[in-house]
Amino acid sequence: EVKLLESGGGLVQPGGSMRLSCAASGFTFTDFYMYWIRQPAGKAPEWLGFIRNKANGYTTEYNPSVKGRFTISRDNTQNMLYLQMNTLRAEDTATYYCARGIMDAWGQGASVTVSS
Amino acid sequence: DIQMTQSPASLSASPEEIVTITCQASQDIGNWLAWYQQKPGKSPQLLIYSATSLADGIPSRFSGSRSGTQYSLKISRLQVEDTGIYYCLQRYSNPYTFGAGTKLELK
Repeated sequence: EVKLLESGGGLVQPGGSMRLSCAASGFTFTDFYMYWIRQPAGKAPEWLGFIRNKANGYTTEYNPSVKGRFTISRDNTQNMLYLQMNTLRAEDTATYYCARGIMDAWGQGASVTVSS
Repeated sequence: DIQMTQSPASLSASPEEIVTITCQASQDIGNWLAWYQQKPGKSPQLLIYSATSLADGIPSRFSGSRSGTQYSLKISRLQVEDTGIYYCLQRYSNPYTFGAGTKLELK
């Protein structure tokens, strides 16, 4: 069974940093692109970026809206995906999801609140 | 950015009815279009990918179609469990973009 489990969310002050993790299981992690998507409460999801699979050199792509502030990485020995978020703003408040492949499987989400 | 204009924003239908939701892309996206269903407090679930392909485990009453840059999700024989918010997503170019969503309620 494919499982994705995000962790690391919580409350952070504006200008702060936070790292989210996504633990993957049930599939060959290195075969898949991995994505981060966020969704503010009551709004549509927003794609943040992805990191490619082994065959494509684990390179990354970002939404210009977060490029330079957010960094996606993966630890293929631990089947872990990460999202490092810096210089956080109130508008980054959302539920953050990881997803795999054609975005056919998503985690349950991690809530991030940016507030003083 | 590619804009995905989704309609209607909401609709109410009776069980066993046929429902259609559409997304209009602002430019050609080929078949790089997916449909998701989201229930309250849950993550989105993939229904359709590549515009017309049914995702694993999704009932056959869900179907997708394309006409040029207009994409449609049809739910035939609506069931009570089909309530939720439906989103389209284009994966043709960066940034991938979602439609604003369609809230489906049953009468």
